[in-house]
Amino acid sequence: AAGVIQSPRHLIKEKRETATLKCYPIPRHDTVYWYQQGPGQDPQFLISFYEKMQSDKGSIPDRFSAQQFSDYHSELNMSSLELGDSALYFCASSSTSGGRPDTQYFGPGTRLTVL
Amino acid sequence: RKEVEQDPGPFNVPEGATVAFNCTYSNSASQSFFWYRQDCRKEPKLLMSVYSSGNEDGRFTAQLNRASQYISLLIRDSKLSDSATYLCVVSSGYSSASKIIFGSGTRLSIRP
Repeated sequence: AAGVIQSPRHLIKEKRETATLKCYPIPRHDTVYWYQQGPGQDPQFLISFYEKMQSDKGSIPDRFSAQQFSDYHSELNMSSLELGDSALYFCASSSTSGGRPDTQYFGPGTRLTVL
Repeated sequence: RKEVEQDPGPFNVPEGATVAFNCTYSNSASQSFFWYRQDCRKEPKLLMSVYSSGNEDGRFTAQLNRASQYISLLIRDSKLSDSATYLCVVSSGYSSASKIIFGSGTRLSIRP
C-alpha cells in the first residue's frame, strides 16, 4: 500500500539559510500534519492542514511556514535556520472519509542538520 | 505537568515475558487514543487504536479507563522484535482539527 512520502530524506544547511521540506500524503488522505522530533525527544506537533486550510497550529516558530496544495501535498518552509532546528521532521496524513478520522500515518521523515 | 505522561522506562525484560505500559492524560475531553511504536531513527508506526471496550491484536492488548484517564498496553510473550519506543498518543476529537498530543515514549528492550 502507498505510504506517506517525504523529500528530501536528508538535508544539510547552514545557519541563516532556508529549507523546504515536502510531504506527499497517502492517496485520498485530506489532512496533513507536521512534527519536529529532536534527539531523544517525542514528536512535537507543528501545524496541520485539512482541505488546504490550516486546521491547527502547535509549536511552530514564526520563521517557519507551511501550506497544503490543491493536490494535497504539503510543504514546510523554514527560514533563518538555527542550530536548534536540527531535528527529524515527520509528516503524517489522515483521512476523514471513513474509519477513525484522526488516525495518522507517518512518513519516513526528513533529517535536517543545520551547521 | 505534561498533558500525556507515560511510564519513564526503560523496560528491560527477557524474551517471552509479559510487559505492561501505562499512559495517563489530563484532558478529560480527549476522544481518541492510540499506541504507536517507534524504532530508532524511524517514523512512528501505528500499533493499535484504543477503544472504550478495550481491544486485542494478537499478543497486544490495549485498555482504556476514562474514569481514571489512563490507557494501557500489554504485550504478552514478548519477542526480540518488540524492542522499540512505545508512544502513547491522545487526540482531543474526531475531526481533522483534533489536537494530537504525544507522550514522551517508553523504551522497551527485550533481551534473549
